[in-house]
Amino acid sequence: DIQMTQSPSTLSASVGDRVTITCRASQSIGTRVAWYQQKPGKAPNLLIYRTSNLQSGVPSRFSGSGSGTEFTLTISSLQPDDFATYYCQQYSSNSWTFGRGTKVEIK
Amino acid sequence: EVQLVETGGGWIQPGGSLRLSCAASGLTVSRNYMTWVRQAPGKGLEWVSIIYSGGTTYYADSVKGRFTISRDSSNNTLYLQMNSLRAEDSAIYYCAKMVSNDYIDAWGQGILVTVSS
Repeated sequence: DIQMTQSPSTLSASVGDRVTITCRASQSIGTRVAWYQQKPGKAPNLLIYRTSNLQSGVPSRFSGSGSGTEFTLTISSLQPDDFATYYCQQYSSNSWTFGRGTKVEIK
Repeated sequence: EVQLVETGGGWIQPGGSLRLSCAASGLTVSRNYMTWVRQAPGKGLEWVSIIYSGGTTYYADSVKGRFTISRDSSNNTLYLQMNSLRAEDSAIYYCAKMVSNDYIDAWGQGILVTVSS
């Protein structure tokens, strides 16, 4: 199965900061990567699909990029509502795997 | 608006069985790719199983041979039959709708399963 190595595991940042989270796949997976935000006690929420497509209703400060084995989620200007845990997810060969998550904390 | 409501969780002893249900509204379960994802307490997300609109099913290696995903068109419900449960199966189980076989765009609220003696 393809593994998704997500980094960093924790990130301390301030409101207004530009934040980048990275996922590296153990082998090339094209562009089938999605990103989710999860807040404590809640189900995850889709932010980005197929590497760079913004889900309807998600603020434009979120963006995704990458291809092959390296993918990034960028928050251009961190807002108070963005402090949460973020997960990448890939699909390949009838198997779906998530990264281990990045917790974005207040600095 | 899509709503997914899981029921059937609770506490069960190791080796026991449990069936989770996911009642759907706002979508037709049999016409969509439906999946189960779980999250152990304080841990990350783990994909568990999927059923395609055509009926094909897939499972994570960690549950293969023990869990069975199914659906009932008459009551628009998704199921997860969990047998031979282990302590490491303890988690919040989310029912979710997947777009094609790609990404998840709708989630239930989750249901807790605790496997412990």
